[in-house]
Amino acid sequence: KAGVTQTPRYLIKTRGQQVTLSCSPISGHRSVSWYQQTPGQGLQFLFEYFSETQRNKGNFPGRFSGRQFSNSRSEMNVSTLELGDSALYLCASSSVGRTDNEQFFGPGTRLTVL
Amino acid sequence: QKEVEQDPGPLSVPEGAIVSLNCTYSNSAFQYFMWYRQYSRKGPELLMYTYSSGNKEDGRFTAQVDKSSKYISLFIRDSQPSDSATYLCAMTGNTDKLIFGTGTRLQVFP
Repeated sequence: KAGVTQTPRYLIKTRGQQVTLSCSPISGHRSVSWYQQTPGQGLQFLFEYFSETQRNKGNFPGRFSGRQFSNSRSEMNVSTLELGDSALYLCASSSVGRTDNEQFFGPGTRLTVL
Repeated sequence: QKEVEQDPGPLSVPEGAIVSLNCTYSNSAFQYFMWYRQYSRKGPELLMYTYSSGNKEDGRFTAQVDKSSKYISLFIRDSQPSDSATYLCAMTGNTDKLIFGTGTRLQVFP
C-alpha cells in the first residue's frame, strides 16, 4: 500500500506570494490533517478534513486555508506569504480521523519564504 | 506556557545505553498519549500509543504515563545508532486535535 505523498517536496517563494501544497492520503483513508513544523514551535496543527468537510481547525490566521476533494486528496493554500511561514508542512492521513487511529505522515513540503 | 513541554536536547548517548525521554503537560483533559519518531527529511512515524495512565512495552521501547503528575516518558533499552532521530510526544483529549511537544533530538554513537 502506497504511503502518504506530498507535492512538491521543496518550494521557494517570496513574501506576498501565495502557495498551494498537495497531499494524497493512503488509499481508503478519508481523514487528512495538516501540520506546520518549525524548530522553535515544533509541530502545530493547522486543520483536519474528513469527507470533504473541515472538522477541526488550529489557531492559524485566515491566510491558511485548505480543502479536500471527493477522492480524499487535500490541498492547503497560504496567501500573502510572510517570512515566518517558512516551515516544513506535513500532511497526515488516518482511516476514520479519530485519535485512536494512527496518523500516517507524509514526508512534508519544505517551504522557504524569501 | 505551552500545553506540552519537551526538552529539545540534543541527547547524546553511547550504543547500549538506556535512554529516557520525557514530556510534561498542563491540560488534565488529555487522555491519549503518543510517541512519534522522526528521522531527518522524513515525516513522523508512530512508535507507541497509550490510553490514560500506565505502562506499555513494545520490544526495546516502554512508554509510561503518570496522569497525576502530568508526566509521560519513553524509555529505550539497548539503544542503537539506528535509534538516532527526533522523538516527539503528542497527546489529545476528545477533540481529535493532537498537541505535539517540540521534540527531543537523540544521537546514539557507536
